[in-house]
Amino acid sequence: KQEVTQIPAALSVPEGENLVLNCSFTDSAIYNLQWFRQDPGKGLTSLLLIQSSQREQTSGRLNASLDKSSGRSTLYIAASQPGDSATYLCAVNAGGTSYGKLTFGQGTILTVHP
Amino acid sequence: SAVISQKPSRDICQRGTSLTIQCQVDSQVTMMFWYRQQPGQSLTLIATANQGSEATYESGFVIDKFPISRPNLTFSTLTVSNMSPEDSSIYLCSVDGRAPEQFFGPGTRLTVL
Repeated sequence: KQEVTQIPAALSVPEGENLVLNCSFTDSAIYNLQWFRQDPGKGLTSLLLIQSSQREQTSGRLNASLDKSSGRSTLYIAASQPGDSATYLCAVNAGGTSYGKLTFGQGTILTVHP
Repeated sequence: SAVISQKPSRDICQRGTSLTIQCQVDSQVTMMFWYRQQPGQSLTLIATANQGSEATYESGFVIDKFPISRPNLTFSTLTVSNMSPEDSSIYLCSVDGRAPEQFFGPGTRLTVL
């Protein structure tokens, strides 16, 4: 059974800092990995998706990497802003007969203070 | 990207009653998924809803408690039956509108008293 762990559980940083969020998964047989952002009481916003054959994806100040063999992904946020404050979730899609069924980590609560 | 709407956005219900949550997508999709997010927890998949067939439930979730309908390729409903305070959660639907990325609705925040 796939298990997804995110470290740290919470992170508080001053504005402008570069930061790294970590995600690990136990079964390396994944189809893709997706990073989401969730604002309090809201739904999920997709940030980046990395296919199993890819090493990284970039969107603006966000960069996500994937090391499938070691079961790890990182989300790098450059020059953090207070508007980045949210919960960040990573989710693994196993594919195959389980395609579309995402297994989520517990999330990292990020607070960026001015 | 797929645009997903959910109704209601939030509700407060009495124990023992049922609530039906609607999920509408702006394009035809093959699979729709229902997730639950209990307070302070991450998301857990309840079931997969395919048009024209019975929903497939994950371990720990049963049809009598969470009946699902999927009448067409753009719409699904999830009913939370005989509710108890433990059912207080955010319920979210998702779709694989343009594979492989998945998109989520805004969620329905349910409080059971």
